[in-house]
Amino acid sequence: GAGVSQSPRYKVAKRGQDVALRCDPISGHVSLFWYQQALGQGPEFLTYFQNEAQLDKSGLPSDRFFAERPEGSVSTLKIQRTQQEDSAVYLCASSWVNTEAFFGQGTRLTVV
Amino acid sequence: QKEVEQNSGPLSVPEGAIASLNCTYSDRGSQSFFWYRQYSGKSPELIMSIYSNGDKEDGRFTAQLNKASQYVSLLIRDSQPSDSATYLCAVTRSGSARQLTFGSGTQLTVLP
Repeated sequence: GAGVSQSPRYKVAKRGQDVALRCDPISGHVSLFWYQQALGQGPEFLTYFQNEAQLDKSGLPSDRFFAERPEGSVSTLKIQRTQQEDSAVYLCASSWVNTEAFFGQGTRLTVV
Repeated sequence: QKEVEQNSGPLSVPEGAIASLNCTYSDRGSQSFFWYRQYSGKSPELIMSIYSNGDKEDGRFTAQLNKASQYVSLLIRDSQPSDSATYLCAVTRSGSARQLTFGSGTQLTVLP
């Protein structure tokens, strides 16, 4: 596709449930980022991939958060045992190396 | 002190006026600076990037960067109601050309 595609667009999870969020970057983009955006705040960095290598995961808030990009294209962000504080919009962005990043539409996660 | 600071607003300007949005950052090693526009419920959309001191103009938008003062601004000339959105300032972290640190955004309303 022409842009970054994320699915699902909306996810409601019961507290304690595991969720998986998918990101399909712009074709050929080697860099992929995950951000978390709370209501009324700017996006906060979670993790960064260059191709299949996860080069920075310093922003992941706990070991319940895990991300992968096994073939250097599609990425999945997994959250285990979801908590209410995990409720946010999860944004994926992609770019060529050292160029501007373009964002997907995001997945709005609500934990009830 | 937050790494990237913006006035949260709301900032209201009449249609046709110049809207001025400001941002300061704390990391002196930051090299790249971006302005994103985010409509309510939508993902951030890149509108300007700037890498060196001075002004950069693109249509009705002008970005200004002063690294000595650690200050970035965005001017929107001939503001239109369609410019009403939240504007996010983002900077790259020193030592990284990739991860972005965002401000909390300034909410702009252009009044018809």
